[in-house]
Amino acid sequence: GQNIDQPTEMTATEGAIVQINCTYQTSGFNGLFWYQQHAGEAPTFLSYNVLDGLEEKGRFSSFLSRSKGYSYLLLKELQMKDSASYLCAVMDSNYQLIWGAGTKLIIKP
Amino acid sequence: GAVVSQHPSRVICKSGTSVKIECRSLDFQATTMFWYRQFPKKSLMLMATSNEGSKATYEQGVEKDKFLINHASLTLSTLTVTSAHPEDSSFYICSARDDRAHTEAFFGQGTRLTVV
Repeated sequence: GQNIDQPTEMTATEGAIVQINCTYQTSGFNGLFWYQQHAGEAPTFLSYNVLDGLEEKGRFSSFLSRSKGYSYLLLKELQMKDSASYLCAVMDSNYQLIWGAGTKLIIKP
Repeated sequence: GAVVSQHPSRVICKSGTSVKIECRSLDFQATTMFWYRQFPKKSLMLMATSNEGSKATYEQGVEKDKFLINHASLTLSTLTVTSAHPEDSSFYICSARDDRAHTEAFFGQGTRLTVV
């Protein structure tokens, strides 16, 4: 079956760095997405990786290793507004998005 | 990024009535639209995928007659929850993608449905 695993909850301190991991097992691979979702709101797109390596976009970076079925989202210089759920999603061979359950990130002052 | 507008953002309806939720792509043509349901503290659950001008493809376990999806144009898809019951109360989210131009899908704001 298809499976996306990510931690349920993480806590970090304002100004620090946090890494949210995602491992996946899917039928085919056409890219991995990270979305941010604040409570009661729809997800917003953060990043897309289809090749191995690190993609940097401001304070957020996303890494992919296809051979390991592994990705992480790295958030630097954490701000209180970064408190949200972070969803990992993989596009399978049918171009369907398979969603992880999300990681709730709690930022403390 | 591209803009997807979902309306209404919140709706309360009585049991037995029907509710229509609209999803519009404002600045691009959505060849594919997705409808999701999300329970509190849970991930997105794909309900159906629709392509413009054709019937929606429903995920296993989703009742086609209860959740009517129409994708009549490249900018509009609607989800109608028919004969709503309290267990249908949930957060419904649409997303849209132009398969010819975009890799990622863009999400609407979501609709909080409460059936009383």
